[in-house]
Amino acid sequence: ETGVTQSPTHLIKTRGQQVTLRCSSQSGHNTVSWYQQALGQGPQFIFQYYREEENGRGNFPPRFSGLQFPNYSSELNVNALELDDSALYLCASSFGQTNEKLFFGSGTQLSVL
Amino acid sequence: QKEVEQNSGPLSVPEGAIASLNCTYSDRVSQSFFWYRQYSGKSPELIMSIYSNGDKEDGRFTAQLNKASQYVSLLIRDSQPSDSATYLCAAHDSGGSNYKLTFGKGTLLTVNP
Repeated sequence: ETGVTQSPTHLIKTRGQQVTLRCSSQSGHNTVSWYQQALGQGPQFIFQYYREEENGRGNFPPRFSGLQFPNYSSELNVNALELDDSALYLCASSFGQTNEKLFFGSGTQLSVL
Repeated sequence: QKEVEQNSGPLSVPEGAIASLNCTYSDRVSQSFFWYRQYSGKSPELIMSIYSNGDKEDGRFTAQLNKASQYVSLLIRDSQPSDSATYLCAAHDSGGSNYKLTFGKGTLLTVNP
């Protein structure tokens, strides 16, 4: 167990809907990164939050957005869901924006029908 | 486009054998490399990191890095059925101030009793 918790564990949505995924970082960690892992693929970087600011973004459209709160927990929001958004969404926490030691949560499996 | 390439496998080895997993990367600027293990339906777990050319050993695991050839490998000695998992190779993207990891698609390893 890494101490990174994500909720919900599973979610089913329909195309066009909006979804919010949540992540609580490990105690003492101030950085949260979000990754999307499609079936049979490696995780792909969505964005990173450090001290409540977005600190880098991967090749994802603006309908993917996020927040980090003062307690360093984070949310990932996806608007106008598409079928290709079906994936495992992983949150990883670390201490410091350049720390390579990422601790992943167990993920949220999102299915878009 | 920075890429990390892995043979998707599956790689099947008998119990007690050496499993050899390989990875190549396209970005010469990458400085740090990681191997993650991911059991089916679970999140990635960091098992090895390597930063310098040569070998790094940790128990039954040895990571090898050759920056001139842009090649990273992971050897697992005395393979056990519990080592059966997908192994993800990741490289640190040094662009910007964030700590983005670029992952390969992973190699599925099966250790047969």
